[in-house]
Amino acid sequence: QQQVKQSPQSLIVQKGGISIINCAYENTAFDYFPWYQQFPGKGPALLIAIRPDVSEKKEGRFTISFNKSAKQFSLHIMDSQPGDSATYFCAAQKGVAGNMLTFGGGTRLMVKP
Amino acid sequence: EPEVTQTPSHQVTQMGQEVILRCVPISNHLYFYWYRQILGQKVEFLVSFYNNEISEKSEIFDDQFSVERPDGSNFTLKIRSTKLEDSAMYFCASLAQGNNQPQHFGDGTRLSIL
Repeated sequence: QQQVKQSPQSLIVQKGGISIINCAYENTAFDYFPWYQQFPGKGPALLIAIRPDVSEKKEGRFTISFNKSAKQFSLHIMDSQPGDSATYFCAAQKGVAGNMLTFGGGTRLMVKP
Repeated sequence: EPEVTQTPSHQVTQMGQEVILRCVPISNHLYFYWYRQILGQKVEFLVSFYNNEISEKSEIFDDQFSVERPDGSNFTLKIRSTKLEDSAMYFCASLAQGNNQPQHFGDGTRLSIL
């Protein structure tokens, strides 16, 4: 019940295309859902995050869509660029600030020029 | 922008030896974490630390692991008797007080057990 399932494991997109990564969770106590971007040799860096009281959040080319009833959320990267090539992790956190993050398995994105 | 810094970037240790991984969290942050990432796998929670004590730990964080904040700035992870399966990237993270605050991660220490 603590798991966050992420798909696909890898994704290849042409420059200018849309990258879509999906995550699903079981634990309804989760109430904070961040996405992290990780480049080789670096730590995860927060990209965008959402709480379940909204269905969508957009920051620049990055959008989170959230479906509370289905317990699913997804990251959309519009106009994907080669510089977006990285590993993306969804995560979930429950309860008050300070609790642990539960990460999905990661998606390795490659954007071809 | 303030960063979480971790040292060393790479640690090579013989199996059975003790190792200490060091982290300097962002200065006004109050919550501290260790996570690990085995090569090619997901990031896994180890332990969280708040107000000078462990607030939560995973089943991975057994008796061979300990954490300490010895001087108000450093946050350390000690592995007492390392095993081959401890080989992984270890990430430190810190968090400021308040809702909607993200955890900030360091760039990790690659631990290689021989």
